[in-house]
Amino acid sequence: GDSVTQMEGPVTLSEEAFLTINCTYTATGYPSLFWYVQYPGEGLQLLLKATKADDKGSNKGFEATYRKETTSFHLEKGSVQVSDSAVYFCALSGQGGSEKLVFGKGTKLTVNP
Amino acid sequence: DTAVSQTPKYLVTQMGNDKSIKCEQNLGHDTMYWYKQDSKKFLKIMFSYNNKELIINETVPNRFSPKSPDKAHLNLHINSLELGDSAVYFCASSISGTNTGELFFGEGSRLTVL
Repeated sequence: GDSVTQMEGPVTLSEEAFLTINCTYTATGYPSLFWYVQYPGEGLQLLLKATKADDKGSNKGFEATYRKETTSFHLEKGSVQVSDSAVYFCALSGQGGSEKLVFGKGTKLTVNP
Repeated sequence: DTAVSQTPKYLVTQMGNDKSIKCEQNLGHDTMYWYKQDSKKFLKIMFSYNNKELIINETVPNRFSPKSPDKAHLNLHINSLELGDSAVYFCASSISGTNTGELFFGEGSRLTVL
């Protein structure tokens, strides 16, 4: 079945450091790919998405590019802030749409001042 | 107004008890979900309803019974609670058929079984 693998955390960075969180997937067909973020004590929110190969999703300084050849969707940010401290989830949905999102295990990011 | 609201936010109960968690969304969405997040933050879908009809039912013990009285509400009832049921339960909603993949989550209900 479909699955998502993301790098184990936790990740601890200093403010203004460069962030990469790796995500690879296994799926039949051409899934849509997503990054969700969960701030402390809150539910998940969609951060960015890409629906086809070579698409780049971006939001709030975060970017991720849908790489079909490497089945990857790595999350990057050039300069992290303390407010980016959260848990980040990579996810995919099959061709059937959003009825079933498959999530990775989450990566906790802590940014220190 | 909170888009997806769940009650209660916190629930502490004894093993063997029966409890319910309620969820309501005011976004006009037609699909609602229950996800379970364990202590390691792993998030797994339990159920999905579309217009009050069950469309996804993962391998969840039948002690868990979802009920959707209308498309804006999806409640979760759990019988004979066990220690392993301790988790955060998230309700979510979406618009079906648009393939946006955007789910709107509630803030979660933390269940602790003693």
